[in-house]
Amino acid sequence: KAGVTQTPRYLIKTRGQQVTLSCSPISGHRSVSWYQQTPGQGLQFLFEYFSETQRNKGNFPGRFSGRQFSNSRSEMNVSTLELGDSALYLCASSPGTGGWEPQHFGDGTRLSIL
Amino acid sequence: AQTVTQSQPEMSVQEAETVTLSCTYDTSESDYYLFWYKQPPSRQMILVIRQEAYKQQNATENRFSVNFQKAAKSFSLKISDSQLGDAAMYFCAYRSSPRGNTGKLIFGQGTTLQVKP
Repeated sequence: KAGVTQTPRYLIKTRGQQVTLSCSPISGHRSVSWYQQTPGQGLQFLFEYFSETQRNKGNFPGRFSGRQFSNSRSEMNVSTLELGDSALYLCASSPGTGGWEPQHFGDGTRLSIL
Repeated sequence: AQTVTQSQPEMSVQEAETVTLSCTYDTSESDYYLFWYKQPPSRQMILVIRQEAYKQQNATENRFSVNFQKAAKSFSLKISDSQLGDAAMYFCAYRSSPRGNTGKLIFGQGTTLQVKP
């Protein structure tokens, strides 16, 4: 069974631009969560989607948004990029929300803002 | 709000020896789940071990085991017979119970483990 696939792996953008990151979950998984990882702040929860509905949202500005499609694939979008948005963005999937079932992570997208 | 604290930014262990990584958390919930994840330099997060809060028995997965002290809100990871492949950053994570209806994980800051040959 294929794992969580994130594209692209690396991305370089300039301040003010916008970016879209993609995540394809493990087949059969309906829940997708996104996390931002930085050396200073560590791993922070961005949002969680289940069956195309946002179930939970972290403490990030409105420039960060996401969506989930009917095939469970998810995208996150960051508009008006700032230098502080440079980070590794991780996507994780699980069959459902919460509980015993662990989240399975992708390799991440490394976003660099110049 | 729940918080997770890993007080050891870096640890090192000799190959074949045992090492324990510490994790404490703060919560007012009585039902929750705890996880240890490993992130090698290749950066993919991999589940190491998990524990349900209502189970008193400590979880074990081969060379990995936990010491779960619910009253003390402590969840340490013991790695026995350390191998070079164990070198990675280890994250402790908390998740609310299913009744919280969320898959959200709250992570500690991580501990970088170095394994010396």
